[in-house]
Amino acid sequence: GNSVTQMEGPVTLSEEAFLTINCTYTATGYPSLFWYVQYPGEGLQLLLKATKADDKGSNKGFEATYRKETTSFHLEKGSVQVSDSAVYFCALVRGNDKIIFGKGTRLHILP
Amino acid sequence: ETGVTQTPRHLVMGMTNKKSLKCEQHLGHNAMYWYKQSAKKPLELMFVYNFKEQTENNSVPSRFSPECPNSSHLFLHLHTLQPEDSALYLCASSQLIQGAGELFFGEGSRLTVL
Repeated sequence: GNSVTQMEGPVTLSEEAFLTINCTYTATGYPSLFWYVQYPGEGLQLLLKATKADDKGSNKGFEATYRKETTSFHLEKGSVQVSDSAVYFCALVRGNDKIIFGKGTRLHILP
Repeated sequence: ETGVTQTPRHLVMGMTNKKSLKCEQHLGHNAMYWYKQSAKKPLELMFVYNFKEQTENNSVPSRFSPECPNSSHLFLHLHTLQPEDSALYLCASSQLIQGAGELFFGEGSRLTVL
């Protein structure tokens, strides 16, 4: 079946460090891929998405590229801020199936 | 402000109480969802409603009873809960059921069962 695997957290970085959160997926066909973010005390919100191979989603300085050959959708940011501290969820949708979320990766950014 | 409002934000109840969680979306969406978020566990989809009709119930215990009177409102009625039901309950909505993958979440209702 379809699934999403993302790196275990928590991830702790200093401000202005480079961030990578790994996400790999298993799915038949061509799923759409997403990153959601959950800030403290809030619900999830869509951060970025990509709907086909080699697409790059970007938002708020974050980027992720849909890599079909490696079945990956890693989240990156060149210089993180304290305000990026949150839980990040990788997710996929294939066709009209329900969205599948990863377990989430908690990110702590130290000033 | 995501356009999805949940009340109450925090709820403490005893195991014999009856309470309800409310969700309202102002986005004109057709589908609404209840998710359960527990510490150290993946997000759990509980119920899905499409145009007020329940289309999915993921083996949720009967002590959780959803109600969707119209496309803008969703309730989760709670009765005879267990301490392990303590969690953050998230409501979400989407334009199309599931397929678009773009869900809009409320801020959640933090439930504590004593």
